[in-house]
Amino acid sequence: AQKVTQAQTEISVVEKEDVTLDCVYETRDTTYYLFWYKQPPSGELVFLIRRNSFDEQNEISGRYSWNFQKSTSSFNFTITASQVVDSAVYFCAFKAAGNKLTFGGGTRVLVKP
Amino acid sequence: DAGVIQSPRHEVTEMGQEVTLRCKPISGHNSLFWYRQTMMRGLELLIYFNNNVPIDDSGMPEDRFSAKMPNASFSTLKIQPSEPRDSAVYFCASSLGTGNSNQPQHFGDGTRLSIL
Repeated sequence: AQKVTQAQTEISVVEKEDVTLDCVYETRDTTYYLFWYKQPPSGELVFLIRRNSFDEQNEISGRYSWNFQKSTSSFNFTITASQVVDSAVYFCAFKAAGNKLTFGGGTRVLVKP
Repeated sequence: DAGVIQSPRHEVTEMGQEVTLRCKPISGHNSLFWYRQTMMRGLELLIYFNNNVPIDDSGMPEDRFSAKMPNASFSTLKIQPSEPRDSAVYFCASSLGTGNSNQPQHFGDGTRLSIL
């Protein structure tokens, strides 16, 4: 069975600092997909990024970047130059064969002005 | 484009009453998911449908819960009779593709359910 672990329960930073969220997953599958979602205080879940297991190229999208390392089963997510609007709970999620998403427990990010 | 639409946004009802949550997936999406979110258990998948057919309902807590998808644009999650421990936020999500796909799930705003 798959498992997703987000060891950080809460991170507090001051605006403009960078924030890196850790995600570690466990699986025996060779093909799988990883996602990050954001849940702001208003409660909705917003899809941010995805990565396929066969593509380890790391990318940057605006202030977001992610570091996928298959060798360590990690899929870390960084927010550069954080803003107050980034305050939210961030979820890492995993999907292999079939259609089921397994979510981590979430990391609450608090960005102070 | 319209996202996943859930109704109601909030529901407060007394124990024992029937509760029906509704979801309209994104047009063209052929997979639909129902999740429950609580502080204690986080996000749990309750059931999902591919092409209107229930594929995996192993997450449904007990017989009091049932879900239907009569057509591609509508699904319901029903709790009868409701109990206080059912209080949670219920999310509906939809995605393109079935099976082994990298398509993300897009979530509705959720229904915050309180059972008194």
